[in-house]
Amino acid sequence: GENVEQHPSTLSVQEGDSAVIKCTYSDSASNYFPWYKQELGKGPQLIIDIRSNVGEKKDQRIAVTLNKTAKHFSLHITETQPEDSAVYFCAASKSSYQKVTFGIGTKLQVIP
Amino acid sequence: DAGITQSPRHKVTETGTPVTLRCHQTENHRYMYWYRQDPGHGLRLIHYSYGVKDTDKGEVSDGYSVSRSKTEDFLLTLESATSSQTSVYFCAITQDGDEAFFGQGTRLTVV
Repeated sequence: GENVEQHPSTLSVQEGDSAVIKCTYSDSASNYFPWYKQELGKGPQLIIDIRSNVGEKKDQRIAVTLNKTAKHFSLHITETQPEDSAVYFCAASKSSYQKVTFGIGTKLQVIP
Repeated sequence: DAGITQSPRHKVTETGTPVTLRCHQTENHRYMYWYRQDPGHGLRLIHYSYGVKDTDKGEVSDGYSVSRSKTEDFLLTLESATSSQTSVYFCAITQDGDEAFFGQGTRLTVV
């Protein structure tokens, strides 16, 4: 089955700096890569996703890049703010509604 | 917020007892999922459903069963709870091709 590795497990950045979280996957058939943000005491919430026919996608301060050849994808958050502090999960699946395999999560702390 | 409700939100139970967690949605989404979240493991799929009475196993299904008799309800049952099933359980829903929405979670402690 699919295996998704995520790093780092924790990340601290100064407010205004950029944060990068990286993930690799094992199943070359995976073609859907969502990113979720989980705030304390809440369920994960989708923040951005990318499909295999796209190399990069941006939404305001958030961007995701995908390298299918190397089987890795990354989340980039620019101009970080304290409200970006949360746990971020990457995931992979063969479609947006089939079984999704998650990474172990990255706890991001943005220091004011 | 998507209309998805988990109950109970917190539960403490004794080893060996059966436990049922409920996920209720008002979105009429076809797909429903149960995940467990544990430190160092992220979110792992227990079971999922692709329609009424249609369910399938995920990667950590041993010791769990599910039922879906109505579109809006997806039940997760721990047949005989063990301490290793102490976890936070999340339900998620999705429609064809749409994003997945997660519930608020149920914190289960087995003592």
